[in-house]
Amino acid sequence: NAGVTQTPKFQVLKTGQSMTLQCAQDMNHEYMSWYRQDPGMGLRLIHYSVGAGITDQGEVPNGYNVSRSTTEDFPLRLLSAAPSQTSVYFCASSYNSREQPQHFGDGTRLSIL
Amino acid sequence: KNEVEQSPQNLTAQEGEFITINCSYSVGISALHWLQQHPGGGIVSLFMLSSGKKKHGRLIATINIQEKHSSLHITASHPRDSAVYICAARGGATNKLIFGTGTLLAVQP
Repeated sequence: NAGVTQTPKFQVLKTGQSMTLQCAQDMNHEYMSWYRQDPGMGLRLIHYSVGAGITDQGEVPNGYNVSRSTTEDFPLRLLSAAPSQTSVYFCASSYNSREQPQHFGDGTRLSIL
Repeated sequence: KNEVEQSPQNLTAQEGEFITINCSYSVGISALHWLQQHPGGGIVSLFMLSSGKKKHGRLIATINIQEKHSSLHITASHPRDSAVYICAARGGATNKLIFGTGTLLAVQP
């Protein structure tokens, strides 16, 4: 099993650009989530999904969109990148919300100039 | 005051030492998680606790629900244990996770 796969691992963007961070899992997990990790702060939930077609906002959703058209994929879209979105982003998945967090991706280090 | 606090923030130990990392929380929880983040950035789930104690190899996690406190112990520490250890409290009603800021552990040979 590949587990949770995130791409890209590194990305540099200019302010105002848009991009999509990809996340895929092959464990048939229903629950998927996106976190951002910033220095001196704990992981913070951006968006989450309890199953295909269902998404909801987390603690810090502004500036980000998600969709869940399949069980496997949960992409995170930055609509118009801002320097405040410079961070390390982690995707995670688990069987359900009671089991989370179970598996994390390796992270995407994103810099916004 | 953060709802989940870890101590110490940084810890340096000599190989073989017994290590304790503490986590205190102020919210009602359904479970407490311990995670390990390697220097390369990957995060691994170590334990999920709702009561008592769990052991996996040289790692032991305990929780005291009444005192709202959990500890992660590492016996016979090794340089490969060097990582950031993160605790996360899962809210009882919402299943929402609140993460601590992590403890950076360096084990020197």
